[in-house]
Amino acid sequence: QSVLTQPPSASGTPGQRVTISCSGGNSNIGSHYVCWYQHLPGTAPKLLIYANNQRPSGVPDRFSGSKSGTSASLAISGLRSEDEADYYCAAWDGSLSSPVFGGGTKLTVL
Amino acid sequence: QVQLQESGPGLVKPSETLPLTCTISGGSTNTHCWSWIRQTPGKGLEFIGYICHNGDTRYNPSLKSRVTMSTATSKTQFSLRLSSVTAADTAIYFCARAFRAYDRIDWFDPWGQGTLVTVSS
Repeated sequence: QSVLTQPPSASGTPGQRVTISCSGGNSNIGSHYVCWYQHLPGTAPKLLIYANNQRPSGVPDRFSGSKSGTSASLAISGLRSEDEADYYCAAWDGSLSSPVFGGGTKLTVL
Repeated sequence: QVQLQESGPGLVKPSETLPLTCTISGGSTNTHCWSWIRQTPGKGLEFIGYICHNGDTRYNPSLKSRVTMSTATSKTQFSLRLSSVTAADTAIYFCARAFRAYDRIDWFDPWGQGTLVTVSS
């Protein structure tokens, strides 16, 4: 059971905009930065968003992050087939003194 | 560009110690903090701990009694030792560079591709 809550699956067609939610509490999302990772099983997870809404160099601006209160969202616009992957949110948890993760959302591009 | 690669035994017997090594290309343990994270079907992604360039370490409280992390004198490797393993420690183990502010970890980048470790007799 993950500390942060994500929907297990999401889907969209090429070109669509998809949003993935991440819900937490005051000790994690409510107080600290949220980041997002993209993971294709068998490969290295990739940092997509850090500090709530910042993109590392090389990440397309089709990916955007936002945070409000104890929830965060990842939006992917102009969906492409190569976006099909697992997406995880994460944040520091002050009560647990540890980073915590969401359970992951499997994105399918139809 | 920093790249990371995990290595270690794919199979460990219950009650034994799991040793893993992460090899850094394009960087060294002279800067930043370096971390281990694991992924299990039941618990998802779980932070194990980190070790920093200045020797600071922090371990997940739930694993702290069994975890030891260290860096190699070569400065291009760091290691994890997890003792008294059980089937619950069967997981994919990732190493990653950790970005720390004060006493917290804000994000991990980059990650290794992970190595599967199975605990079984």
